[in-house]
Amino acid sequence: EIVLTQSPGTLSLSPGERVTLSCRASQSVGSSYLAWYQQKPGQAPRLLIYGTSGRATGIPDRFSGSGSGTDFTLTISRLEPEDFAMYYCQQYGSSPFVFGPGTKVDIK
Amino acid sequence: QVQLVESGGGVVQPGRSLRLSCAASGFTISTYGMHWVRQAPGKGLEWVALTSYDGSNRYSVDSVKGRFTISRDNSKNTLYLQMNSLRDEDTAVYYCAKGLAWGDKNALDIWGQGTMVTVS
Repeated sequence: EIVLTQSPGTLSLSPGERVTLSCRASQSVGSSYLAWYQQKPGQAPRLLIYGTSGRATGIPDRFSGSGSGTDFTLTISRLEPEDFAMYYCQQYGSSPFVFGPGTKVDIK
Repeated sequence: QVQLVESGGGVVQPGRSLRLSCAASGFTISTYGMHWVRQAPGKGLEWVALTSYDGSNRYSVDSVKGRFTISRDNSKNTLYLQMNSLRDEDTAVYYCAKGLAWGDKNALDIWGQGTMVTVS
């Protein structure tokens, strides 16, 4: 089973700042089967990035994904007020399709 | 409008059973893998199970193997999760979600609003 680790656990930032979130896998995630989701309190998760770097429908271009193998990154180029939320990575290359523990991005 | 609506959650005693349903509208589930994901109160997301587009393949996390069964009725455009031998640690919001494209290995692009299951 692949284990995903996300860092940092919490980030306190201001609107307008650039954010880089990390997701590391315990073994290679085949063919870039790595996704990122955003979740706000009381809401269902929302898909942001699939296939490591593909933006889901309707996702602003300030969100970008990169990486390969075991190391992946989600970057938000300039934080907007609506971006303060939890962010989870998920691998879907092999069952179980685990999620990482999440990174919380909150307002400084 | 593409939508998933879960139902069937509630309060249940340990050891008892519950069946969750997830009704899809605005699209046909018959061409997509469908998933269940859960989230315990104050915790992160946990992937639970997947059924392939035609139900021929099923996958699940070890903690629910032998207790939970994912299934689908494509004629009713509905996904199910039969949960038996429920434990306290199964308490969570249960989300159904749709795979992004044809095939099993997909990110989850459409999510329901979730249904709460409390085992107590």
